[in-house]
Amino acid sequence: AQKITQTQPGMFVQEKEAVTLDCTYDTSDPSYGLFWYKQPSSGEMIFLIYQGSYDQQNATEGRYSLNFQKARKSANLVISASQLGDSAMYFCAMRGPNYGGSQGNLIFGKGTKLSVKP
Amino acid sequence: DAGITQSPRHKVTETGTPVTLRCHQTENHRYMYWYRQDPGHGLRLIHYSYGVKDTDKGEVSDGYSVSRSKTEDFLLTLESATSSQTSVYFCAISREREVNYEQYFGPGTRLTVT
Repeated sequence: AQKITQTQPGMFVQEKEAVTLDCTYDTSDPSYGLFWYKQPSSGEMIFLIYQGSYDQQNATEGRYSLNFQKARKSANLVISASQLGDSAMYFCAMRGPNYGGSQGNLIFGKGTKLSVKP
Repeated sequence: DAGITQSPRHKVTETGTPVTLRCHQTENHRYMYWYRQDPGHGLRLIHYSYGVKDTDKGEVSDGYSVSRSKTEDFLLTLESATSSQTSVYFCAISREREVNYEQYFGPGTRLTVT
């Protein structure tokens, strides 16, 4: 069975510093996808970044990068130059090998609450 | 913006009453999903749909039913609401035209069962 673990319930970071949010996963499928979502206090779920299991390079999207270590089954999110607006819940999620149907569903971790201090 | 709306956005209902939540999308995506979010659990899949009249159960489907009679609408029904169904409900679509099939979420519905 697939599983996502986020071990940091809450984290603090100083504005303008970098922060790493941890995510480990478990799956027996060789093909899978990993996602990070941001949920600000307003409640919406915002897609941030994606990493495929066969991708050779770590994914990057602006200030977000995904530190993908396949052998360790970890997919940590790195936010560079933190801003006050980065304060939010962050969820790691995994999708199975098939894009549609039951394997297209996302399995979520329990989230990490990031607080950025001025 | 993935063109997803949910209605109602907030609802308070009494135990034992039926409740229907609506998810509407404007982009004709095939795959639609209902999740619930509870403190300490992240998001969990309730039901999903892979086309008109094609639906299946997710991880926490007990007490819920769904229907999809049109591509654009995916309805979630609580036949007889219980306090354990107090939660925030999110609808999502999967953008199959995107290579990653990432999911985009609606704004959520906060349901309180008293």
